Amino acid sequence: DAKTTQPPSMDCAEGRAANLPCNHSTISGNEYVYWYRQIHSQGPQYIIHGLKNNETNEMASLIITEDRKSSTLILPHATLRDTAVYYCIVRAYNSGNTPLVFGKGTRLSVIA
Amino acid sequence: DAGVIQSPRHEVTEMGQEVTLRCKLISGHNSLFWYRQTMMRGLELLIYFNNNVPIDDSGMPEDRFSAKMPNASFSTLKIQPSEPRDSAVYFCASSLVRPGQGRKLFFGSGTQLSVL
Repeated sequence: DAKTTQPPSMDCAEGRAANLPCNHSTISGNEYVYWYRQIHSQGPQYIIHGLKNNETNEMASLIITEDRKSSTLILPHATLRDTAVYYCIVRAYNSGNTPLVFGKGTRLSVIA
Repeated sequence: DAGVIQSPRHEVTEMGQEVTLRCKLISGHNSLFWYRQTMMRGLELLIYFNNNVPIDDSGMPEDRFSAKMPNASFSTLKIQPSEPRDSAVYFCASSLVRPGQGRKLFFGSGTQLSVL
């Protein structure tokens, strides 16, 4: 699986959009971008994933650059409950039975 | 569905004692993963199973650790004897893998283990 690079920490004002970047310059054609987050003292939680088109669900939006070498997770209206560590993971979609490998992620602090 | 259920939520034990952590998968899921999380090393995969069969246990620290899936919905992680360096949060996660599809993991709330 391709490696990812994320900033160690970010701050965001409550109610504003939180934009979390991820670099994955060695991504290959069959690899998807997954985002998970871990709120303090809880297990990681799936957020969203995508291949090359932008994706949106009830939690967030995922913007992937045209060359697919980087992506941005957007929380449109961050709340205090969005304070968490956010993990960007790149993985082949058909790798099926192999596990996810978590890096250090970005610690997002939403400030009132 | 209640999600992935882990027990106990907290465990405090003395060095040398046996510790057993338990995990109930989401009904219908066919893959089970045990992860360990510490401040120093982050989230590490210990072992995973597909259809009750252990696939890769290379992340298990040493022979003191063992994991089983006695049936399709339940797993245990045992540490015998426990040591202070085993202190960590242990998570299990389950997923349903279908051919040609990706992986979405569902995690339990974890077991906070403290070995004194």
